[in-house]
Amino acid sequence: DAGVTQSPTHLIKTRGQQVTLRCSPKSGHDTVSWYQQALGQGPQFIFQYYEEEERQRGNFPDRFSGHQFPNYSSELNVNALLLGDSALYLCASSLAGGFTEQYFGPGTRLTVT
Amino acid sequence: AQSVTQPDIHITVSEGASLELRCNYSYGATPYLFWYVQSPGQGLQLLLKYFSGDTLVQGIKGFEAEFKRSQSSFNLRKPSVHWSDAAEYFCAVGAGGTSYGKLTFGQGTILTVHP
Repeated sequence: DAGVTQSPTHLIKTRGQQVTLRCSPKSGHDTVSWYQQALGQGPQFIFQYYEEEERQRGNFPDRFSGHQFPNYSSELNVNALLLGDSALYLCASSLAGGFTEQYFGPGTRLTVT
Repeated sequence: AQSVTQPDIHITVSEGASLELRCNYSYGATPYLFWYVQSPGQGLQLLLKYFSGDTLVQGIKGFEAEFKRSQSSFNLRKPSVHWSDAAEYFCAVGAGGTSYGKLTFGQGTILTVHP
């Protein structure tokens, strides 16, 4: 049973560029959440997708956007990258039927120079 | 809005000693509570969860946690620590209502295990 997978593993971008991160949920899961984890901090909720729509959003600017596909996989897009966007980006999947635990992927390490 | 406080940034214990990691939460209703563990450069692994019912919950790797509503706490315990338990531990609270599905994490506690 495949768990949550994310790609790429590492990414280096320059300020002002745009980046797309990808996530495939655990088999049977239909909800994807994205988190940003800065160095030495706990993860912070960016947003959650269910039925191809953004259901919840944290305190992140509009530069952060996402998408969910019919197969439940998801993308996180960040435009106009800032140095402060350097972080580990974690994807988590869960079931939307009730509040259930979220299973995390290994993350994508984004470095903005 | 919910919040989580993990008062201890770094804890060091000897292998075989007991362990307790503290977690305090703030939330107006009955929370959903979680403990996750993260090894360096890795994602988060769920150790245990509390949704309702018995306030003492058992998790994987010999961990347990107790929900105490009166103290707004959900402390993680292990009777005998192994060297492989060295990692960073995160407490998280999930909410219902308009914040349904959003997890709020604490700052984490780094656990070092001495042989």
